Amino acid sequence: DGGITQSPKYLFRKEGQNVTLSCEQNLNHDAMYWYRQDPGQGLRLIYYSQIVNDFQKGDIAEGYSVSREKKESFPLTVTSAQKNPTAFYLCASSSDRPEAQYFGPGTRLTVL
Amino acid sequence: ELKVEQNPLFLSMQEGKNYTIYCNYSTTSDRLYWYRQDPGKSLESLFVLLSNGAVKQEGRLMASLDTKARLSTLHITAAVHDLSATYFCAVGRDDKIIFGKGTRLHILP
Repeated sequence: DGGITQSPKYLFRKEGQNVTLSCEQNLNHDAMYWYRQDPGQGLRLIYYSQIVNDFQKGDIAEGYSVSREKKESFPLTVTSAQKNPTAFYLCASSSDRPEAQYFGPGTRLTVL
Repeated sequence: ELKVEQNPLFLSMQEGKNYTIYCNYSTTSDRLYWYRQDPGKSLESLFVLLSNGAVKQEGRLMASLDTKARLSTLHITAAVHDLSATYFCAVGRDDKIIFGKGTRLHILP
């Protein structure tokens, strides 16, 4: 079955630690995205990538980093520089514009 | 800067009633999306609207787009409890897709 997987589903982190969220898709989509969702804030774009080995900052990239070494994978690292990382993180992918994005199940990150 | 505003942000309505959710956006765009999110879950695509005057319907939901007014509407006809969810509109510009804050819809039996 084609789709997007994110792991882990729940993640707990101590302050000062970096953590990496996984996103994998087997839809053969070129574009991949990371969003952060906070209550009442909707989805905010962190990073996006249109092609392997290339990515762009979204609206809230500070404190985050990404890589796109393979078409199928777009991991997100939440660094210690992110001041308020507790949130629900959603990964999405899409084929050429204007198709809709397919979303993964999300990772809920809690900083203790 | 592209901004997307939805209203209302929260809507509680009785089963069987009709209502409309509005989505305004600030700059020109070539595509608009509607998504549904159930509590604690991911997002599911509902509609993709690409041209002025576009109208799409699926069951009790109908979405329309007026690109001149930079406005899209999501109309709910004869609401049923299963439609309780949060509905997001999102607007595409170049390679970005920007989301509104969502409308939390609660349908009372």
